[in-house]
Amino acid sequence: DAKTTQPTSMDCAEGRAANLPCNHSTISGNEYVYWYRQIHSQGPQYIIHGLKNNETNEMASLIITEDRKSSTLILPHATLRDTAVYYCIVRVRVRFGAGTRLTVKP
Amino acid sequence: NAGVTQTPKFRILKIGQSMTLQCTQDMNHNYMYWYRQDPGMGLKLIYYSVGAGITDKGEVPNGYNVSRSTTEDFPLRLELAAPSQTSVYFCASSYLAGGPGDTQYFGPGTRLTVL
Repeated sequence: DAKTTQPTSMDCAEGRAANLPCNHSTISGNEYVYWYRQIHSQGPQYIIHGLKNNETNEMASLIITEDRKSSTLILPHATLRDTAVYYCIVRVRVRFGAGTRLTVKP
Repeated sequence: NAGVTQTPKFRILKIGQSMTLQCTQDMNHNYMYWYRQDPGMGLKLIYYSVGAGITDKGEVPNGYNVSRSTTEDFPLRLELAAPSQTSVYFCASSYLAGGPGDTQYFGPGTRLTVL
């Protein structure tokens, strides 16, 4: 399984875009990139996934570099409710890492 | 759909006691998973199942057992509770493993304390 590397924590001002990076340099051709988040004490929540192309849904956008070695999750207008730990996962079936703790500040 | 449900929400056990954590999903998913999450840490996979009657170990299976007699249910059994098993336990399910169908849906968790 590909290893992922994320910053431990990030801050973002309310109303601004939150850009969360993830490195996955050992990703293989058929592995998808998934993003989940976990709001305090709750079960993880699916956000978005992609393979090669950039993806957008009602929650976020996912930008994957052309070589697929890194990706960025974009929350376009972060709110206080977006404060959570965000997990970037390649090969969902196996394991979650430590994630990035995003704190949205007023 | 109720999604993934877990019972109980909270439980306190004494060392050496046994209990079963219940997990049920109503999405007709083939794959089900049990994770544990220690305070301030990420999730660790305990066991998973690829369908009724088929289970396999994850990263941290010691001290736990599972069974999968139906598609809907995936109970986790602790036989001899130890303080190291104090954690929050999450059950999840997915339609597939790998690829676009691999989105996992999580239950609300069971907070277990072993004293």
